[in-house]
Amino acid sequence: GAVVSQHPSRVICKSGTSVKIECRSLDFQATTMFWYRQFPKQSLMLMATSNEGSKATYEQGVEKDKFLINHASLTLSTLTVTSAHPEDSSFYICSAAGTGGTDTQYFGPGTRLTVL
Amino acid sequence: ILNVEQSPQSLHVQEGDSTNFTCSFPSSNFYALHWYRWETAKSPEALFVMTLNGDEKKKGRISATLNTKEGYSYLYIKGSQPEDSATYLCAFATDSWGKLQFGAGTQVVVTP
Repeated sequence: GAVVSQHPSRVICKSGTSVKIECRSLDFQATTMFWYRQFPKQSLMLMATSNEGSKATYEQGVEKDKFLINHASLTLSTLTVTSAHPEDSSFYICSAAGTGGTDTQYFGPGTRLTVL
Repeated sequence: ILNVEQSPQSLHVQEGDSTNFTCSFPSSNFYALHWYRWETAKSPEALFVMTLNGDEKKKGRISATLNTKEGYSYLYIKGSQPEDSATYLCAFATDSWGKLQFGAGTQVVVTP
């Protein structure tokens, strides 16, 4: 399957700072990238969908001004957690896909964010 | 919010034994059902994408069935091996846009 990288794998930051997470599809062009968040013992929750060259679509309850998503190319999407607070501490994971609900999504390994 | 339920939450299997577990999803607005295997510290690995009622897919010792009318899918592991130890996730799509609703997963531990 396709390879998706995610960087950093782990980050610890102080409250109030911003953190950028990169998601790269290494061997295919991803029309769409998805960002998920997982709290302990819970399922992956979709945060937003991003398509190359257009604004991301956010799920209900996800603050678009707090979680900035940029999908500048077919191989790179970034998620910036702005003014992070301890409640933003979570596991963030991205996936990349072609188009359509039957397309396999290829996942990165995730980023563990801890906000002190 | 759609409810995708997976059961059991975890199970322990002796090496060589076969096992199966369930993913339940709303039977209305079905578009596709995805299965992933997620090993610790790795990326979730795609196993199957299923779309048709009655569909059955197989990959090595792992297979899955789909019943869209009653809203469930079974995943089977035949002759479990320690390398099958992982969390198995199912995810439900209601449309062609690719948005997935995930279950919480079934954690499988295979002991030698």
